[in-house]
Amino acid sequence: AQSVTQLGSHVSVSEGALVLLRCNYSSSVPPYLFWYVQYPNQGLQLLLKYTSAATLVKGINGFEAEFKKSETSFHLTKPSAHMSDAAEYFCAVKTDKLIFGTGTRLQVFP
Amino acid sequence: DVKVTQSSRYLVKRTGEKVFLECVQDMDHENMFWYRQDPGLGLRLIYFSYDVKMKEKGDIPEGYSVSREKKERFSLILESASTNQTSMYLCASTVGGGKTTYEQYFGPGTRLTVT
Repeated sequence: AQSVTQLGSHVSVSEGALVLLRCNYSSSVPPYLFWYVQYPNQGLQLLLKYTSAATLVKGINGFEAEFKKSETSFHLTKPSAHMSDAAEYFCAVKTDKLIFGTGTRLQVFP
Repeated sequence: DVKVTQSSRYLVKRTGEKVFLECVQDMDHENMFWYRQDPGLGLRLIYFSYDVKMKEKGDIPEGYSVSREKKERFSLILESASTNQTSMYLCASTVGGGKTTYEQYFGPGTRLTVT
């Protein structure tokens, strides 16, 4: 069965620091992988997606993620955090349906 | 831009009431979905529809039903609301069939409280 695991329900960083949000997936077939962001009181917005093209995927707002098949990972990074990045982030894997992780809440301190 | 709208942002209902949550998308998408979002559990799929009048159960369909009479509209129905259905409900849509990129577009959510 396909699944996705997000390590760390809460991550805190200082403004300007590296952001690293971890996602590991389990899939018996080549997956499509997604990162979504949810700002307070809003729906989910797509940050980026991996669809078996380039393994390094660039998304909106300076985020990127690297697909590593050997590690079954798709971690999300941003070199320098902004206060506006504070939100909840969801990793998702798509095979026959979209399966979401439990989310990581990112806090950014000044 | 794709737009997915939900009829209410906040809703308060009493136990036993019949509750309707409406979702409309304006991009002629074939597939529509209803999720509920709870802290620590992420998003869980309740029902989805891949065409008018077609529906499929998701992971947690118990206590819910859906209706899709028109392509742009997908309704979630709580037949007899219970307190354990207090949650955030999110609607999403995506292009279906061979055109799909699997990217789902989400509405803003309806926060339902059942008292």
